[in-house]
Amino acid sequence: GAVVSQHPSWVICKSGTSVKIECRSLDFQATTMFWYRQFPKQSLMLMATSNEGSKATYEQGVEKDKFLINHASLTLSTLTVTSAHPEDSSFYICSAEVHTRQSHFGNGTRLTVT
Amino acid sequence: AQTVTQSQPEMSVQEAETVTLSCTYDTSESDYYLFWYKQPPSRQMILVIRQEAYKQQNATENRFSVNFQKAAKSFSLKISDSQLGDAAMYFCAYRSAVNSGYALNFGKGTSLLVTP
Repeated sequence: GAVVSQHPSWVICKSGTSVKIECRSLDFQATTMFWYRQFPKQSLMLMATSNEGSKATYEQGVEKDKFLINHASLTLSTLTVTSAHPEDSSFYICSAEVHTRQSHFGNGTRLTVT
Repeated sequence: AQTVTQSQPEMSVQEAETVTLSCTYDTSESDYYLFWYKQPPSRQMILVIRQEAYKQQNATENRFSVNFQKAAKSFSLKISDSQLGDAAMYFCAYRSAVNSGYALNFGKGTSLLVTP
């Protein structure tokens, strides 16, 4: 149980376009979802915390207008990278939390902006 | 803010041997959770072991065990009988128990190489 599906697993887009990444909890309702970013050979850095029905809370230095997060239901959160640039190329990974405070990770999305 | 420090960027162990990965953290909270995650080349985050701070007994999961020293704020991971499949990045992580909305705070990771 407690499966988190993240889609797509990889995406290549052109500079200036927008990309949407979905994070779904398949068999449980997630009270909170988190979005992380990971550069090669580095650790996971928290970008934002997403609670269903409310605005996301962004970490310092993360542009909320560039990384749009929508958490419309207890099973779905989306991250949209708007007007993507090559420096946005990275590995993005979501996690969903249940009331037991256990984090369940998606498989991540590798974004390449050309 | 809590910080998690992994002082070993890389470690190497021979197959069947034992290796210990170190982790220290800084917090003013008394109740929290500590985790070790494994990230293989597929980049999937795999939970290895979890420790609740209020529990004095060290957590164990088959070949994986921790040495949790709360006063010293140390949380090391011991891998016994190392296998080739253990090769991966290992991240130590901290999570507050005060608020259910707190994210995981990760260390920089330790790359574990397992040699035949």
